[in-house]
Amino acid sequence: NAGVTQTPKFQVLKTGQSMTLQCAQDMNHEYMSWYRQDPGMGLRLIHYSVGAGITDQGEVPNGYNVSRSTTEDFPLRLLSAAPSQTSVYFCASSSTGGPRDYGYTFGSGTRLTVV
Amino acid sequence: GENVEQHPSTLSVQEGDSAVIKCTYSDSASNYFPWYKQELGKRPQLIIDIRSNVGEKKDQRIAVTLNKTAKHFSLHITETQPEDSAVYFCAASIFGGGSNYKLTFGKGTLLTVNP
Repeated sequence: NAGVTQTPKFQVLKTGQSMTLQCAQDMNHEYMSWYRQDPGMGLRLIHYSVGAGITDQGEVPNGYNVSRSTTEDFPLRLLSAAPSQTSVYFCASSSTGGPRDYGYTFGSGTRLTVV
Repeated sequence: GENVEQHPSTLSVQEGDSAVIKCTYSDSASNYFPWYKQELGKRPQLIIDIRSNVGEKKDQRIAVTLNKTAKHFSLHITETQPEDSAVYFCAASIFGGGSNYKLTFGKGTLLTVNP
């Protein structure tokens, strides 16, 4: 049982490049989400999904796309990287009860630098 | 949407002292309030949570109190130890009635416990 696995752990992109941050969980959690963490800003929700085929926007969705074709995977796509997207990205999942019943399980994070 | 304010942003205490971190929320419909601990370079982990039908919850040295009327909740850590040093995040959410399980986080408190 690996929990929530994020890849890569570190990434440097040039402005304008695109990439996909991977997130996979093996706990059969229906709920998955992506947060970004910036100094002094806490954790801000980018996108979330309440089940396969269902996604919705969070607080800061611009510049990011997501899809949820399977229960296990929830990739985050950066369409055209900008320096403002330099951040640490966390994927999190939870059971059908939502974060209330079991809390979020976070991945180990991806540190992204856009130059 | 929900807005969560967290204070103080930094807190330094001597080992053995108590630490208190306070949060306020804006949406009176919020009914779930978790606290997460994030050690340097690590992922956030749930340490305690409280639901709106409860005023206080304890787990060994940590406790959380909730005042629904004033819309604020607090984390209390007693007999602090150096390993309590971390960033602590509060969060708020609404569950039930077709809600979407989104957690809104505060900006975090850096707690330093000095030996």
